[in-house]
Amino acid sequence: DVKVTQSSRYLVKRTGEKVFLECVQDMDHENMFWYRQDPGLGLRLIYFSYDVKMKEKGDIPEGYSVSREKKERFSLILESASTNQTSMYLCASSPAPLLHNEQFFGPGTRLTVL
Amino acid sequence: AQSVAQPEDQVNVAEGNPLTVKCTYSVSGNPYLFWYVQYPNRGLQFLLKYITGDNLVKGSYGFEAEFNKSQTSFHLKKPSALVSDSALYFCAVRDSWGGSQGNLIFGKGTKLSVKP
Repeated sequence: DVKVTQSSRYLVKRTGEKVFLECVQDMDHENMFWYRQDPGLGLRLIYFSYDVKMKEKGDIPEGYSVSREKKERFSLILESASTNQTSMYLCASSPAPLLHNEQFFGPGTRLTVL
Repeated sequence: AQSVAQPEDQVNVAEGNPLTVKCTYSVSGNPYLFWYVQYPNRGLQFLLKYITGDNLVKGSYGFEAEFNKSQTSFHLKKPSALVSDSALYFCAVRDSWGGSQGNLIFGKGTKLSVKP
C-alpha cells in the first residue's frame, strides 16, 4: 500500500512564525502536491513538484514556498504565518505519467494560526 | 479552462436506498475523471477513475460511476447505501490536453449523509 505521511495532525502557531509542514511518501512517486482544504472551497493546489528540486506554482502560492531535496520528501513552508492560513493542509503523491494516475493523500495537517 | 461542479452541497439518503452524487465537468480535450471520499479528520481516499473505454466504471466499496459525454457528467452511484458511506465526496477532472499543467481540478465536495 502507498503510504503518505505528514509530520503533524494538528499544529498551532502564532502570527508571524515560520512554519514547516513535512510530507513523506514511500512509493518512489515522481509527483508530489500540497493542497489546502477549506469548507465550501474544496481543495486548492498550492504547489506541486514533478521531480527532485523542481517546483511549480499552483493556484494559490502566495505566502507559501516549498522544498524538494529528496524524491520522497516535499516540504511546505509558511514564511510568516497569518491567520488566513488557518486551514487543513493535504499532501499527495502520484506516479508518472501524471495524466492517467490518481493521487494518494496523506492524513492532513490541521493548522491553526493565532 | 477546465472546471468541475458538484451541484449539491449535501445528499441525504436512507440506508438500503440507492444513492447518487452528481458531478459535471468542462474541459477542452477529453476528460480524465476521478472520485475521492474523505471520512472525518482523514485525508482523501481514491474511489474510482475514468480514463477511457467503458462508460460504467466500478470502484471501491461497491461504488460505480457513469461517464456521460453528451451531458458532460460523471455521477457517482451505489445501489444500496450504508450508514458507513456517510462522508464527504469529491469529484475531480484533468484535461487530456494538459490544461492547468495536467493537474487535478477538484469540485467543492458533497456531504453524503446516510440515515439508519
